[in-house]
Amino acid sequence: QVQLVQSGAEAKKPGASVKVSCKASGYTFINYYMHWVRQAPGEGLQWMGNINPGGGSTTYAQKFQGRVTLAWDTSTSTVYMELSSLRSEDTAVYYCTRGSLVGNTTPDAFDIWGQGTLVTVSS
Amino acid sequence: SYELTQPPSVSVSPGQTASVACSGHRLGDKYTSWYQQKPGQSPVLVIYQDSKRPSGIPERFSGSNSGNTATLTISGTQAMDEADYFCQTWDSSTSVVFGGGTKLTVL
Repeated sequence: QVQLVQSGAEAKKPGASVKVSCKASGYTFINYYMHWVRQAPGEGLQWMGNINPGGGSTTYAQKFQGRVTLAWDTSTSTVYMELSSLRSEDTAVYYCTRGSLVGNTTPDAFDIWGQGTLVTVSS
Repeated sequence: SYELTQPPSVSVSPGQTASVACSGHRLGDKYTSWYQQKPGQSPVLVIYQDSKRPSGIPERFSGSNSGNTATLTISGTQAMDEADYFCQTWDSSTSVVFGGGTKLTVL
């Protein structure tokens, strides 16, 4: 079945970086955009950016420009999200989620979500 | 930047109809999606392109979008529908916006 499986929880100190992985299965990896969304404790959903695994192009939310990097590995159908210069406000659950078919003229919804990865930033 | 506004909470009695609103400037000109999230779980897509249901989503979930407001409607609300609901749209073809979320209580 179609699924996204993320790496495990991380505990980091302020100023460090974290890298979260998201392994896709059950569909053609390069055919769909992959997005990252985070959710701070008790808060709403916040979009971070996306990547086209077919071509490598990325788009980042303005809030995270310069701190987030998305990468991919076609051989393992895995997308990575790295967030640097961590601060306590970055404590959140980070989700990868599948977006539109690459080439669709109309951006679409997020139909498959990973299980989430808790990143805790504390000194 | 574009903003979506949702009421923080909505209450409904079992078997009744629940409506969750999501407002934004000329939102009717964009596609809106809705996600259900239960405590400790990942979000689940329940409505996309304003009014379409993914396979496996019960028929009691429906959506509409016109003017400045998109609405998620749950007919015959069940206890299992108690959850947070988030609306989502695209600010441009490249930028995603979520509403702040609405906690639906079934009591």
